Amino acid sequence: DAGITQSPRHKVTETGTPVTLRCHQTENHRYMYWYRQDPGHGLRLIHYSYGVKDTDKGEVSDGYSVSRSKTEDFLLTLESATSSQTSVYFCAISEPYQEGTQYFGPGTRLLVL
Amino acid sequence: GQQLNQSPQSMFIQEGEDVSMNCTSSSIFNTWLWYKQDPGEGPVLLIALYKAGELTSNGRLTAQFGITRKDSFLNISASIPSDVGIYFCAGDLRTSGTYKYIFGTGTRLKVLA
Repeated sequence: DAGITQSPRHKVTETGTPVTLRCHQTENHRYMYWYRQDPGHGLRLIHYSYGVKDTDKGEVSDGYSVSRSKTEDFLLTLESATSSQTSVYFCAISEPYQEGTQYFGPGTRLLVL
Repeated sequence: GQQLNQSPQSMFIQEGEDVSMNCTSSSIFNTWLWYKQDPGEGPVLLIALYKAGELTSNGRLTAQFGITRKDSFLNISASIPSDVGIYFCAGDLRTSGTYKYIFGTGTRLKVLA
């Protein structure tokens, strides 16, 4: 299994509060991604990073920000959580110039009340 | 945005039967990936395809990268109860030199013993 961990694994929060999710990898892969998964929508890309301090938006980036200060860590922040952000969040990593494949973490289940 | 059309959405089959599912897109992809997701887990990579026309097997699973580079299929032979889960296809979309992956909405497989 690829060395990807996510924390926390579960979180319940209230509308309007800030939330930060962490993804940590031990594979030294250059690319890291944040997805959300909702019934009927599959996996949708929120933000991704192609190197330290290099990030870009995905298809559902509104209301989310990211930071990557080290190769191994990629943080996803909900500045002011809303109920529509209740979802399961997955982190993924890839090293396109070696394999072109993508590996997923175990997920974080977030409930915004 | 970009979309992958994955079909069927769900299927019920008898144990021992063969299964086939496919993904199509209006875009050309450089890599096709097939994942399986069990409840409460992250997607796990099953097969990666890198060249048009490539046919790759992983045990009872066989996948092919379409000649047009716009489609792929996954076959499962002699299904068993543990094949139950959601299967996702994904294609890598290289834009401006960065790597993003687009996912299908999944095929939910249920195997009847």
